[in-house]
Amino acid sequence: GAVVSQHPSWVICKSGTSVKIECRSLDFQATTMFWYRQFPKQSLMLMATSNEGSKATYEQGVEKDKFLINHASLTLSTLTVTSAHPEDSSFYICSAKGLLNNEQFFGPGTRLTVL
Amino acid sequence: QQQVKQSPQSLIVQKGGISIINCAYENTAFDYFPWYQQFPGKGPALLIAIRPDVSEKKEGRFTISFNKSAKQFSLHIMDSQPGDSATYFCAASRGAGNMLTFGGGTRLMVKP
Repeated sequence: GAVVSQHPSWVICKSGTSVKIECRSLDFQATTMFWYRQFPKQSLMLMATSNEGSKATYEQGVEKDKFLINHASLTLSTLTVTSAHPEDSSFYICSAKGLLNNEQFFGPGTRLTVL
Repeated sequence: QQQVKQSPQSLIVQKGGISIINCAYENTAFDYFPWYQQFPGKGPALLIAIRPDVSEKKEGRFTISFNKSAKQFSLHIMDSQPGDSATYFCAASRGAGNMLTFGGGTRLMVKP
C-alpha cells in the first residue's frame, strides 16, 4: 500500500516551453502533497506544500508564477514548470500524505532536462 | 533554526562492517526523525524513524540512536552489504507526515 507515482519519469524540453509533471497517490487519498527539487548530489529542497482544494504554499525563494501547482483531487497533484530554462533542469520529487497516514510517501521522481 | 546537519558526506565501509551516519538539529520543536534511503534516479524511501520519547529504535540491521539533550541522532547499519550502497538522508519534522527538513545526505559505498 501507500504507492505514489509520477509521470513522466523523465522529460526533455526546449527552453521557453512549459512542462507538466503529475503526481498520483494510487491506493490512498492524499490530503497533502509536497513537491521537492533535488539537484545532482544534493539534498531535497521543499518547493511547496499543497492541500487538496487549496492554493499551494510556496517556500521562500520559489517563484509561484513559474512553478504552478494544482491539487484538484485527492489523488492527483500537478507541477507545471512554465517557460522552462536550463537552470530549471533538476530532479523533481513529490510526496503525499493521507488522512490515515502518519507518513509522507515519496514518488519515484521526474528528471527534467531543459535544452 | 530549520537546519539539519548531516555527516559524513561520504562513507566507505567494507562488507560486514558497521556504517554510522550522524545528524544534528537545532529546532527543538522537531519531534519526528526519519531516515531515508535513495538510489540513483529514484525517490527516497523511508528506512526507519524515531520520536524523541525513545533513545533507540531497531529494525533489522538498521538502528537509530537518539540523544535529545544533545539534539543529535544517528543511523547505524549493521553487517553492511554492497546492496546498501546508496545515499542516506536524515530528516526532521514537527509531527509525522508534516513538512520535512532534510540533512545534506551521505553517500555510502559498501565494498565487497
